Amino acid sequence: DADVTQTPRNRITKTGKRIMLECSQTKGHDRMYWYRQDPGLGLRLIYYSFDVKDINKGEISDGYSVSRQAQAKFSLSLESAIPNQTALYFCATSRERTQYFGPGTRLTVL
Amino acid sequence: GQQVMQIPQYQHVQEGEDFTTYCNSSTTLSNIQWYKQRPGGHPVFLIQLVKSGEVKKQKRLTFQFGEAKKNSSLHITATQTTDVGTYFCAGGTGANNLFFGTGTRLTVIP
Repeated sequence: DADVTQTPRNRITKTGKRIMLECSQTKGHDRMYWYRQDPGLGLRLIYYSFDVKDINKGEISDGYSVSRQAQAKFSLSLESAIPNQTALYFCATSRERTQYFGPGTRLTVL
Repeated sequence: GQQVMQIPQYQHVQEGEDFTTYCNSSTTLSNIQWYKQRPGGHPVFLIQLVKSGEVKKQKRLTFQFGEAKKNSSLHITATQTTDVGTYFCAGGTGANNLFFGTGTRLTVIP
């Protein structure tokens, strides 16, 4: 079984819709992250959480929100999706510095 | 803000040729990590370097961390088709977050 799972794996939605991406982990790590990947831009950090009561903005948090429901769960929401949020989204966990990534969610906003 | 630049963006090599990707940070790093992302996959941790001037090897892969802890390189000797993918460096700071480079996509021509 995968240690870090993401749902859905693929999603197509329309402009203005609210969408939630979910991440679960069985690694027992306190730290969780959400990144987006765009061609030529690498991985950019959206939000991160070092424990259940801790939420921090990353470099590109505008247009996104997160919820840390439990140590094992960290969800990313797009309140009103727009086309330039079309990207590959990765969740990751870490105990210290090394990060373990989920399989990714490919999101398309039409 | 923190920036980690990586060159080249793309590299095509004949199987058996060597390959190098370079990573440069705008600020001094506490550590540098390298990740590999296979086509259609997610980033997977390869190695971490912490000390100034550190060199580590993994079979045909050689990783270096610069003396000033602001740059790093990954060199692959005698590439194989299994080396195909995108290689990311990620610079760590005291805040324990990672700043990912833009990645180098390696194509190996059989």
